[in-house]
Amino acid sequence: GQQVMQIPQYQHVQEGEDFTTYCNSSTTLSNIQWYKQRPGGHPVFLIQLVKSGEVKKQKRLTFQFGEAKKNSSLHITATQTTDVGTYFCDFGAGSYQLTFGKGTKLSVIP
Amino acid sequence: NAGVTQTPKFQVLKTGQSMTLQCAQDMNHNSMYWYRQDPGMGLRLIYYSASEGTTDKGEVPNGYNVSRLNKREFSLRLESAAPSQTSVYFCASSPQGANTEAFFGQGTRLTVV
Repeated sequence: GQQVMQIPQYQHVQEGEDFTTYCNSSTTLSNIQWYKQRPGGHPVFLIQLVKSGEVKKQKRLTFQFGEAKKNSSLHITATQTTDVGTYFCDFGAGSYQLTFGKGTKLSVIP
Repeated sequence: NAGVTQTPKFQVLKTGQSMTLQCAQDMNHNSMYWYRQDPGMGLRLIYYSASEGTTDKGEVPNGYNVSRLNKREFSLRLESAAPSQTSVYFCASSPQGANTEAFFGQGTRLTVV
């Protein structure tokens, strides 16, 4: 079956430092979605990547889809305390199944 | 604009009790999902409904049943609650299947004692 590893599981950064989380798949993905879940909250959609090599930016967040469509990353520049939460990738294992990685929990130390 | 509404927000059950978690969406979405979230385990799919009238098992369906009552509503039932079902439950919906933006409810925090 499709295997997707999300790394790291936890990341603690000093405010102002950069942060990156990765989703790595054993098979080619058709597309990938990224979500953010604040502590005590629910997952909220951030972005979808579809094309090989695609790069999208949202303010301090940069999302990339690998050339082979087997990996993706979310990079946050100069983290702020508002970035705290868990970031998930959804790699859609089936046509009707949203399938999530285990998530990366980001803590930001002020 | 309510989006996805889940009830209740919190629930405590005794082992063996039954209950139904309710979920409704007002976005005219075809697909709906139930997830459970446990520390370190991420979001695990319990059941999903690709469209009105269909339901399918996800990764962890044992101990649960679902009903897609109509296009808006998708309920999750625990027939005989067990402590292992202590978790946070999320309902979600999407326009049509996976590979698209999904919208989540606020979650139900369930404790089984």
